[in-house]
Amino acid sequence: EAQVTQNPRYLITVTGKKLTVTCSQNMNHEYMSWYRQDPGLGLRQIYYSMNVEVTDKGDVPEGYKVSRKEKRNFPLILESPSPNQTSLYFCASSSRQSTMNTEAFFGQGTRLTVV
Amino acid sequence: KQEVTQIPAALSVPEGENLVLNCSFTDSAIYNLQWFRQDPGKGLTSLLLIQSSQREQTSGRLNASLDKSSGRSTLYIAASQPGDSATYLCAVPGGTSYGKLTFGQGTILTVHP
Repeated sequence: EAQVTQNPRYLITVTGKKLTVTCSQNMNHEYMSWYRQDPGLGLRQIYYSMNVEVTDKGDVPEGYKVSRKEKRNFPLILESPSPNQTSLYFCASSSRQSTMNTEAFFGQGTRLTVV
Repeated sequence: KQEVTQIPAALSVPEGENLVLNCSFTDSAIYNLQWFRQDPGKGLTSLLLIQSSQREQTSGRLNASLDKSSGRSTLYIAASQPGDSATYLCAVPGGTSYGKLTFGQGTILTVHP
């Protein structure tokens, strides 16, 4: 089954304690990205990757890091989480074809609370 | 800058009604448009993807149309059921980064028995 898998689904942590949210896709997609969803602000892109070892900032990258060492994995790293990073996070992937973008698949989300 | 607007913000209907959700976008130079469903606190499930060369796409009781020239898409849900209750989001690619999706704020749909 084609899917994007995020872990953990729920996480409560304290300010300043480094954490990683993992994302893995089994569709051999080149393009992967991270979004955060906040009430009233909708979904905003944090970081994206066009392929292995190629990453770039989205609209709200401050306080986040990513890496793309393998095609299937795209972890999101919060080196020093702060309460304003409390949010619902989504990983997404899509295939890179001539039409620039095809159907995007999303993970089930990670609910992060930073206290 | 691409902006996506969804109307109405919320909709409450009795079971069995046919309904229409609207999505508009400011930059008509899009490659496709995608409709998603999101259940409370859950992930996004892709419902329909309409390529720019298509005018309609159907899946079961769902039908989505796309009019690029006017910057509009509609999602038609036939014979609504309580299980259709969710937030419906439309999204278009493009924007400030490659492959980025720009989302509307969503329509919260409640179908009551």
